[in-house]
Amino acid sequence: NAGVMQNPRHLVRRRGQEARLRCSPMKGHSHVYWYRQLPEEGLKFMVYLQKENIIDESGMPKERFSAEFPKEGPSILRIQQVVRGDSAAYFCASSLLTGEETQYFGPGTRLLVL
Amino acid sequence: KQEVTQIPAALSVPEGENLVLNCSFTDSAIYNLQWFRQDPGKGLTSLLLIQSSQREQTSGRLNASLDKSSGRSTLYIAASQPGDSATYLCAVRPMDSSYKLIFGSGTRLLVRP
Repeated sequence: NAGVMQNPRHLVRRRGQEARLRCSPMKGHSHVYWYRQLPEEGLKFMVYLQKENIIDESGMPKERFSAEFPKEGPSILRIQQVVRGDSAAYFCASSLLTGEETQYFGPGTRLLVL
Repeated sequence: KQEVTQIPAALSVPEGENLVLNCSFTDSAIYNLQWFRQDPGKGLTSLLLIQSSQREQTSGRLNASLDKSSGRSTLYIAASQPGDSATYLCAVRPMDSSYKLIFGSGTRLLVRP
């Protein structure tokens, strides 16, 4: 059973471009979480999604950031008009049935904005 | 608002030493506390998870304790090895938003051969 997969692993964008980060949860998992890790900091919760629903997006910046988890396909974290401050590692985690269960983390996508 | 603090931020020890990493949290209303290991450029590996009703968990050379009332946890690493060099993250799962892990900033450990 493959673990949580994220791609790309590394992404370089120039200021003003769009970044799309993908997360495929573990097989059978229907809950996805996105966290952001700024340099020298811990991970910060961004958003919690179930299939076709955003449950909690309280940790996500109000502008330029959006997330989705469609019925089919991976979860997508989209950052429009990236700025240098968006440079960070973005981690996705998934859990099986409920939000209280163990979260399994992917390897992360490291975004660098030039 | 729950806050998680880890001390020290960085630690360098010679191989073979026993060491303790500290984690403190401000709100004792938690479901559990989890210790993770993060290698440079890599994802997170779960080491130990302590439920709020438990006092400690052990796995090999690792032992984690939890004192919920005082808001503290320690990760004890016995007989440290160079392969233990990594960043260790502590995270709590609060009761009021149990799907949201709250992380500390981590302790960067270097074990010198």
